[in-house]
Amino acid sequence: ELKVEQNPLFLSMQEGKNYTIYCNYSTTSDRLYWYRQDPGKSLESLFVLLSNGAVKQEGRLMASLDTKARLSTLHITAAVHDLSATYFCAVDPSSGGGADGLTFGKGTHLIIQP
Amino acid sequence: GAVVSQHPSRVICKSGTSVKIECRSLDFQATTMFWYRQFPKQSLMLMATSNEGSKATYEQGVEKDKFLINHASLTLSTLTVTSAHPEDSSFYICSAVRQGSNEKLFFGSGTQLSVL
Repeated sequence: ELKVEQNPLFLSMQEGKNYTIYCNYSTTSDRLYWYRQDPGKSLESLFVLLSNGAVKQEGRLMASLDTKARLSTLHITAAVHDLSATYFCAVDPSSGGGADGLTFGKGTHLIIQP
Repeated sequence: GAVVSQHPSRVICKSGTSVKIECRSLDFQATTMFWYRQFPKQSLMLMATSNEGSKATYEQGVEKDKFLINHASLTLSTLTVTSAHPEDSSFYICSAVRQGSNEKLFFGSGTQLSVL
């Protein structure tokens, strides 16, 4: 059974600081997703990481994937209040295309304080 | 704009009634759609895989007779919560796979179900 462990589950940080969210998973996979969810809303796709060593950046967020270590990170640089949300990583256990559905981590509830 | 439309966004119903939630892929055909459930402050849990033209595949612990899934066309999957009870109150989210050279997974906007 695929397990996806995300930590921390809760993070309160000040604006301007940097921090990293970690996502470990238990089985081989070449596809890892990061999503943002605001309260009462659905998921907003942030990154899709498709290969070992993949690194993607969008604004203050940067995601990376190490398939050998089965680890992905989401790094936040110089956080701003608007980034407050819950962040999920999700792993595709199939050979590709999300054919088996995704397994989600428990989410990291991020609060960024002025 | 949204490529997967989910409707309704919110529904309140009485215990014992049935509720249907629709998930449509707007500009692509989806042979496979997924239904997830999310309880407050928790993660998304895959309920079932909806396959066009065949029976849905349910995850362990999900009652197929309670959560009826119909994927009658390549652009529409429906989830019907039958004889809903308060413990069925949850946020339900569908997703659809756009296959091809640019494979991608899209999520619907979610449905908040409240059973009184």
